[in-house]
Amino acid sequence: EVQLVESGGGLVQPGGSLRLSCAASGFTFSNFWMNWVRQAPGKGLEWLANIKQDGSEKHYVDSVKGRFTISRDNAKKSIYLQMNSLRVEDTAVYYCARSRGAGYWGQGSLVTVSS
Amino acid sequence: DVVMTQSPLSLPVTLGQPASISCRSSQSLVYSDGDTYLNWFQQRPGQSPRRLIYKVSNRDSGVPDRFSGSGSGTDFTLEISRVEAEDVGVYYCMQGTHWPYTFGQGTKLEIK
Repeated sequence: EVQLVESGGGLVQPGGSLRLSCAASGFTFSNFWMNWVRQAPGKGLEWLANIKQDGSEKHYVDSVKGRFTISRDNAKKSIYLQMNSLRVEDTAVYYCARSRGAGYWGQGSLVTVSS
Repeated sequence: DVVMTQSPLSLPVTLGQPASISCRSSQSLVYSDGDTYLNWFQQRPGQSPRRLIYKVSNRDSGVPDRFSGSGSGTDFTLEISRVEAEDVGVYYCMQGTHWPYTFGQGTKLEIK
């Protein structure tokens, strides 16, 4: 069974940093693109970033470019999202999703940016 | 960025009746490989999104056959042949052809 489990969310002050993790199981992790998607409270979905199977290619949406960094460790079957210079508007549930088509999603990790 | 426009944004439906959601993109979603990367997702209250349809019309495993997708180019539709109570939630279209991938605003389906 495919499973994606996010962790690392929490409360952080504006300007602070946080690192999210997503642990995968139930499939050959190194065969798939992986993604981060977020959802602000009561709002829709926003695709943030994705990373190729070997980490050689990464894409970011403009709203996080230069502040967020996606990475992966195929040995640990995990992806990460390093979030710096956090803003109040980054408050959201952050999901990881498998493949460019987002066929599987984790349960999400809540990040709250507030003073 | 490609703008995905869904309609309606609110969809009250009687149980057992059909429902249809439209999704239009600001650019053609045909990729250089000939495929069209238009997906549909369902998000039930309090749950993570779940993909229903990929590449316009392919149903994911476990998705009831009352869900179907159609369309081409810039104009796409998700249809539910007979709405059931478990279909309540928000439905999103998403394009995976042009980076950054983008979602529609969401259509909230409720039972009348």
